[in-house]
Amino acid sequence: GQQVMQIPQYQHVQEGEDFTTYCNSSTTLSNIQWYKQRPGGHPVFLIQLVKSGEVKKQKRLTFQFGEAKKNSSLHITATQTTDVGTYFCALRSGTYKYIFGTGTRLKVLA
Amino acid sequence: NAGVTQTPKFRILKIGQSMTLQCTQDMNHNYMYWYRQDPGMGLKLIYYSVGAGITDKGEVPNGYNVSRSTTEDFPLRLELAAPSQTSVYFCASSSPWTSGGIAYEQYFGPGTRLTVT
Repeated sequence: GQQVMQIPQYQHVQEGEDFTTYCNSSTTLSNIQWYKQRPGGHPVFLIQLVKSGEVKKQKRLTFQFGEAKKNSSLHITATQTTDVGTYFCALRSGTYKYIFGTGTRLKVLA
Repeated sequence: NAGVTQTPKFRILKIGQSMTLQCTQDMNHNYMYWYRQDPGMGLKLIYYSVGAGITDKGEVPNGYNVSRSTTEDFPLRLELAAPSQTSVYFCASSSPWTSGGIAYEQYFGPGTRLTVT
């Protein structure tokens, strides 16, 4: 079945440093979604990417979809303590379902 | 709109007991999902529904049952609880076309933290 590798599993950064998490699929994707889950909270939708090579920005967050539509990345510039949490990618599986990656847990040291 | 609501927030079950986790959404979404999240892990799909009367299994359905009699409600039933079912359970809903125009964006409830001892 479809497999979703997300790396790294954990990342500790000093406040102000950059952070990147990667999501890799074994199959070509129709689209990919990214979610953020704060500690003790629930996942919250961040963005969806659809087109090959697509790049979208939300303030300090930059999302990219690979040219072959098999991988994606989320980059945070100059991290802040509010960025703490776990970032998940989610890949569509069939028409209605999504498979979530294992997540990257980000800790930001002030 | 309240969005997706889940009850209870917390529950402790003894091995072999049964319970129903409630999930309600007021966004008129067709699609609803149940996930479980074990400590430090990702989300695993238990069951999903694409409309009232239609349900299907996800990745980890064993030990669970669902029903969908209305658009709004999607309860998850645990029969004969086992320690392996200790987890946080999230309900989510989505629609092909949301107000933001993003297909299949999922809205999650706050979760139910279940412990089976």
